[in-house]
Amino acid sequence: EVQLVQSGAEVRKPGESLKISCKGSGYIFTSNWIGWVRQMPGKGLEWMGIIYPGDSDTRYSPSFQGQVTISADKSISTAYLQWSSLKASDTAMYYCAKYDTSGGGMDVWGQGTTVTVSS
Amino acid sequence: QAVVTQEPSLTVSPGGTVTLTCGSSTGAVTSGHYPYWFQQKPGQTPRTLIYDTSNKHSWTPARFSGSLLGGKAALTLSGAQPEDEAEYYCLLSYSGARGVFGGGTKLTVL
Repeated sequence: EVQLVQSGAEVRKPGESLKISCKGSGYIFTSNWIGWVRQMPGKGLEWMGIIYPGDSDTRYSPSFQGQVTISADKSISTAYLQWSSLKASDTAMYYCAKYDTSGGGMDVWGQGTTVTVSS
Repeated sequence: QAVVTQEPSLTVSPGGTVTLTCGSSTGAVTSGHYPYWFQQKPGQTPRTLIYDTSNKHSWTPARFSGSLLGGKAALTLSGAQPEDEAEYYCLLSYSGARGVFGGGTKLTVL
């Protein structure tokens, strides 16, 4: 069974750093893009960026370029989303999702990681 | 960055048919945008219904179908069920494989 398991909920203060994870199983991790999606409280889905774990090719939405870093460690089938300096406006649910073989979008989603940034 | 537009809300009667659309600020939506459709119920993770315009996953109920209609991507629900009440999002792919979600359509079955 294809699964993406994300790390648990996080609470941080503004200015702190954070790295959340997404571990894939049940498929060849290096052969499909992994995407990250933000959903702020009560709002819609926002496409943040994608990474191809096979060669770490990464694409960002202009809205998130420079604000976050997407990475992957193919040796442990895990993708990451990280912030160097969190803001209160980063408070949201973050989903990772595996892209399907056509490469146009997601087929399997992680369960989501809630990030709360508050002083 | 392109803007992807969806109807903010729609209502359908049980057993009825409704079409949700997904437009692009850059012009007509084509198969080259690889339109995807997702369903999200309150408190749940999104679920992929349609990929590459019209293809269904094994878990996609047969009453859902995808197409291109009048320069937009479209999701048609035929024979709406109470459990179809949810938020629906489309995703379009642009240059460099960068995606943009639509703002979502809140579908009420009433």
